[in-house]
Amino acid sequence: EVQLVESGGGLVQPGRSLRLSCAASGFTFDDYAMHWVRQAPGKGLEWVSGISWNSGSIGYADSVKGRFTISRDNAKNSLYLQMNSLRAEDTALYYCAKEAGSPLFRYFDYWGQGTLVTVSS
Amino acid sequence: EIVLTQSPGTLSLSPGERATLSCRASQSVSSSYLAWYQQKPGQAPRLLIYGASSRATGIPDRFSGSGSGTDFTLTISRLEPEDFAVYYCQQYGSSSWTFGQGTKVEIK
Repeated sequence: EVQLVESGGGLVQPGRSLRLSCAASGFTFDDYAMHWVRQAPGKGLEWVSGISWNSGSIGYADSVKGRFTISRDNAKNSLYLQMNSLRAEDTALYYCAKEAGSPLFRYFDYWGQGTLVTVSS
Repeated sequence: EIVLTQSPGTLSLSPGERATLSCRASQSVSSSYLAWYQQKPGQAPRLLIYGASSRATGIPDRFSGSGSGTDFTLTISRLEPEDFAVYYCQQYGSSSWTFGQGTKVEIK
């Protein structure tokens, strides 16, 4: 059974940093691209960042480019999101999502339950 | 960036009725790269449809997707009580993903 478990969220002041983690199990982690998607309270879904299986291809939404860094450790079956210079508008539930394996289709077939990040003074 | 606009914002229907949800893209999207998700309160999104019309594993056949180019549709043929939720379309293009703002299907 595929499991994605996020951690690392919490209350942080504007301008500070936070590192999110996602522990993956139930599939061969290093075969798949992984992503972070966030959802502000009461709002819709926003793709944040994605990383290919070997970290060779990385992308970011314009809203986080230059502030957030995605990484992965295939030996530890883990995905990370380093968030710097946090702003109030970064407040959201952050989901870890697994991308499906086919290059013909680009969608997310499994999601974690999310970790809440609150940016406030 | 491709913008996805979903309509209506809210759909009020009764169990057993047919639901038709629209997703319109600001420019043409490859059908292969269009997906639909369902999200219930307090839960993570769940994949329903990928490639515009292919049902994900375990998704009942009352859910169907169609469309091409800039206009895509998710249809729920007969609403079951567990189908009342928010639905999002998603596209991939130019090395990024975008979601529509969502359509809430509520009980009338």
